[in-house]
This record gives sequence, structure tokens and C-alpha cells, in this order.
Amino acid sequence: NAGVTQTPKFQVLKTGQSMTLQCAQDMNHNSMYWYRQDPGMGLRLIYYSASEGTTDKGEVPNGYNVSRLNKREFSLRLESAAPSQTSVYFCASRAERFRTANTEAFFGQGTRLTVV
Amino acid sequence: GENVEQHPSTLSVQEGDSAVIKCTYSDSASNYFPWYKQELGKGPQLIIDIRSNVGEKKDQRIAVTLNKTAKHFSLHITETQPEDSAVYFCAAPILTGGGNKLTFGTGTQLKVEL
Repeated sequence: NAGVTQTPKFQVLKTGQSMTLQCAQDMNHNSMYWYRQDPGMGLRLIYYSASEGTTDKGEVPNGYNVSRLNKREFSLRLESAAPSQTSVYFCASRAERFRTANTEAFFGQGTRLTVV
Repeated sequence: GENVEQHPSTLSVQEGDSAVIKCTYSDSASNYFPWYKQELGKGPQLIIDIRSNVGEKKDQRIAVTLNKTAKHFSLHITETQPEDSAVYFCAAPILTGGGNKLTFGTGTQLKVEL
């Protein structure tokens, strides 16, 4: 019963390097989300995907791209990492299929990213 | 833009006392208000939620109240215990053309002291 699985758990990048954060859920959920968590800033939405084949920007999308590869997987890519992207990244999923349906969000364990 | 505000950012209480955390939201169409608890090194987990057709919901020592007119909701923890120490987040859905963006407050660090 894995739930939401994120890889890697820790990563150190040099400025300008690229990397992809992976996220997979095994609950047959429709919606998937990427958040970043910074001290004093809470959880800020980067991108989300309401269903397979769709993605949309959240509050802080600049410097990131996403891919909803299939219903299970939603990846986050940093094309050219910057020190401002040092953060803890969380992937989450929810069951909803419709705009007005509301169910629990399940979170992964997080990826701690440091850009030097 | 649409957002969720949360207060206080830190809260320290003595074991056995009550703790109250408050949130306000801006999207009048929001109809679901969850609270999440995040322990150190882990992802947030749902502890209680409330839908807009009720004003209060309780689950043992925790309760959530909702005032739709004022657009605010609160988390109440009674008889606090050391294991309640964590970061708590409120959230509300912002409905968009494409979906349902779950938007979080900035979090409250709760410390329960012995």
C-alpha cells in the first residue's frame, strides 16, 4: 500500500544543472499536484494536473515544467536550477474527477533539493 | 488573487491546554475546508475536514468550525499532548475552469510544552 511515492528523497544540484523529480501514485487518483515548501511560506502550488493529459500553472510555476505521463505519474522538471529553487518539494494526489468534488489529498514524503 | 490566510504562525501551549488556529479564505465558491498535520520530515496528513453545509465537526480532541458568512474556519485542539506538536496547515479549494486547486495557508508551528 505505497500511496504516493516520490524520488529522489534528497538531491544536491549545481546552479544551471537540470533534473526531474518523479512522482507516482497507486490509488487511481485523477488529480495530481506539485508543491514547494519554504520556511514561513507554507505549501505553494507549482503546477497541477486535473486529469491525465492536462496540466495547469499554480502560484509559482516559473522555472519549472511538468509532464503527466499517464494517470499514475506526474513529473516535475527543473531545466536550469537556481539557488532560489532550494526547497522541499511535495507531490500530492486526490481522487476527484469533477471540479466541485472534494476529497482528501495524499502527500508523498517529499524531496529535499539544494541548489548550490 | 485567491488565497488562504492562517494565524498564528507559531503557538506554544502547556500540556492539557487548548489550542486554536484560524484561517480565512477569499473564494466564496470554496466548499471544503481540510486541516493537515505535518510531523518533522514527513508529508502533511489530513486530520479533519468540514464541508460548507455544516458549521462544526468534532473528532475526539479536535474540532473544526466554519463561518461561511465571514469566510473563516478554525481548528480547535483540546487537552493538548506533546504528540500534538507539529506544523498545522489549513486549506481551501480554488475552483478554476480546469479543475480544483487545493490552496494552503502558511502553516502554524504548534509546540506543546510539558
